Amino acid sequence: NAGVTQTPKFQVLKTGQSMTLQCAQDMNHEYMSWYRQDPGMGLRLIHYSVGAGITDQGEVPNGYNVSRSTTEDFPLRLLSAAPSQTSVYFCASSFRGDTQYFGPGTRLTVL
Amino acid sequence: GQQVMQIPQYQHVQEGEDFTTYCNSSTTLSNIQWYKQRPGGHPVFLIQLVKSGEVKKQKRLTFQFGEAKKNSSLHITATQTTDVGTYFCAGRDNQGGKLIFGQGTELSVKP
Repeated sequence: NAGVTQTPKFQVLKTGQSMTLQCAQDMNHEYMSWYRQDPGMGLRLIHYSVGAGITDQGEVPNGYNVSRSTTEDFPLRLLSAAPSQTSVYFCASSFRGDTQYFGPGTRLTVL
Repeated sequence: GQQVMQIPQYQHVQEGEDFTTYCNSSTTLSNIQWYKQRPGGHPVFLIQLVKSGEVKKQKRLTFQFGEAKKNSSLHITATQTTDVGTYFCAGRDNQGGKLIFGQGTELSVKP
């Protein structure tokens, strides 16, 4: 079991560029979530999904898109990167919303 | 919307001293979870509390869930250098909705 995997580990973007952060889990979990972590702000929920084909917004969804076509994958798309999106991004999965298993994170810098 | 506040933001202790972090929600919670994040790592699940007034122990860690299910605490007895990291609470509201994290308490332990 690889658990929750995220790629890439590090990324530098220029303002206005777009990119997709990948997240995959092999635990057959229904729930998957994306968080961003900024100093002093804790973990803020961006988007989440309770199953394939179902997504919903979290606390800070603006500037991000998600889709869930399979149980295993939950990519996060940055449509037009801004410096305010510089952060560490964590993907997490859980069985019916209980214990969250986090991936190792993606450290994103937007110049 | 639902808010989860956690205090203090930072705590510096001498090894052997006790440590407590507190979590307060603006709404009644169905459950509360606690996570630990080591420096440079990802959050790791510690425990989930579900019942009003529940108290659970894990070795030197004691977790409490308030009678009104709106607050919680984590107490570490006789801290060790291995306790270093950031401790997060995360609450899910009664509607079974989003899991919202507190800002975290960063614990440093001086040997």
